[in-house]
Amino acid sequence: DAMVIQNPRYQVTQFGKPVTLSCSQTLNHNVMYWYQQKSSQAPKLLFHYYDKDFNNEADTPDNFQSRRPNTSFCFLDIRSPGLGDAAMYLCATSRVSRTSGSSYEQYFGPGTRLTVT
Amino acid sequence: AQTVTQSQPEMSVQEAETVTLSCTYDTSESDYYLFWYKQPPSRQMILVIRQEAYKQQNATENRFSVNFQKAAKSFSLKISDSQLGDAAMYFCALNTGKLIFGQGTTLQVKP
Repeated sequence: DAMVIQNPRYQVTQFGKPVTLSCSQTLNHNVMYWYQQKSSQAPKLLFHYYDKDFNNEADTPDNFQSRRPNTSFCFLDIRSPGLGDAAMYLCATSRVSRTSGSSYEQYFGPGTRLTVT
Repeated sequence: AQTVTQSQPEMSVQEAETVTLSCTYDTSESDYYLFWYKQPPSRQMILVIRQEAYKQQNATENRFSVNFQKAAKSFSLKISDSQLGDAAMYFCALNTGKLIFGQGTTLQVKP
């Protein structure tokens, strides 16, 4: 009964080698988020999709891209990973009311721990 | 600017005792949600408790309860009868359309 699934759980990539992390959800939520979390820190929002609308945070590096081909899936692409991109990447989903705009709690996946060698 | 502040980087509690984690926030919005999330070491972040700003009654979930002081913009979490499984990092978060996290409080539970 997993609700937000992330694959793989652990990913090792080489410096500069593109990598893709995936997230899927069974909650049918209209919003999906990607966060970067470094050790003992709060998650940092990279971007989110409201349905098909992509919303980038102002300080998210261009190196990070995302795709949402359908409601259930969302991908995080890191075009040229640097050593500083080693972190836990969290996917989350939420339901946002289309009428009121009210945003409810976010449900998080287990995360993908990215190592850059 | 919207901010969330957790002033206690680390806390410890004896098993079966009660502990309170502090959180203050700032927002100009009148309609918002507040959450406490728990993140055990190397494990998934899960929602512990939520509070709608328009509700005066403090939320409770089993051993977890909050003290929501809207005027003071304070939202503390009380854990009663602490258990070893409560050991984790706890994040206070404000949602006004985007989730704003505090810095986190690491809770240690001593047997």
